[in-house]
Amino acid sequence: AQSVAQPEDQVNVAEGNPLTVKCTYSVSGNPYLFWYVQYPNRGLQFLLKYITGDNLVKGSYGFEAEFNKSQTSFHLKKPSALVSDSALYFCAVRARGSARQLTFGSGTQLTVLP
Amino acid sequence: ETGVTQSPTHLIKTRGQQVTLRCSSQSGHNTVSWYQQALGQGPQFIFQYYREEENGRGNFPPRFSGLQFPNYSSELNVNALELDDSALYLCASSLDGGGNTGELFFGEGSRLTVL
Repeated sequence: AQSVAQPEDQVNVAEGNPLTVKCTYSVSGNPYLFWYVQYPNRGLQFLLKYITGDNLVKGSYGFEAEFNKSQTSFHLKKPSALVSDSALYFCAVRARGSARQLTFGSGTQLTVLP
Repeated sequence: ETGVTQSPTHLIKTRGQQVTLRCSSQSGHNTVSWYQQALGQGPQFIFQYYREEENGRGNFPPRFSGLQFPNYSSELNVNALELDDSALYLCASSLDGGGNTGELFFGEGSRLTVL
C-alpha cells in the first residue's frame, strides 16, 4: 500500500519569506512523486514531479522540491513567497510498475500574509 | 489546446438515486482517471480508463462504474447514492496510457450533493 502524510494542515508565511510545505511518503520500491495546487472551487493544477535523476526538482511558478530517499520526504519549497501563492497544496505518490493510482495527502493550506 | 472539461458543475440528488458525470479529456490525451474529493480531504482514486478499458481501480464499491468512449471522453456512474457520496468528483486526463510517469491534468470537478 502507498500513503502520503502532510503533517501540517496550515502553513502561514509572510510575503517575501521562504516557504516550505512538508510531505513524507510510503511506497514499495522507488516512487514517482508529485505536487499539485488547488485554488478555491477549482480542480488541481500540476506543479512539479520527481521521476528519477536530480533530487532537486524545479517546477512552475518558482516552486521546487527536494527528494530525500533516506527520509522518504519530498518537501515543497519556494525562496520568496507571494500572496498569490495562497492555496491548498497536495503531495502525491505513485508506485513504479503497474500501479495506476495516484495517492494524495490530505493537503496543506498555505496562507501568505502581505 | 482544450483542457479537461466536466459536466455538470453542480448537482443535487437524493439518496438511492443514480447519477452520471461526464468528462472530456484534454486534446490528445488517451487516459482518463476519476477521483473523489470529500470536503477537507485529498482526492481518492476511483478508477482509470485507457483505450476504453478499465485498467486500475481504487477501493470503491461496484456501484461506482465508468465508461470511456472512442474519442477518449468518459462517464462516471454512481448507483444507489448514499449520503457519503457527497463530494467533488474530479476527472483527470493524461497521455501516459499504460505507463505512470506522466502528470495528470484535472478538470474543475462536479460537485455532487446527496440529500
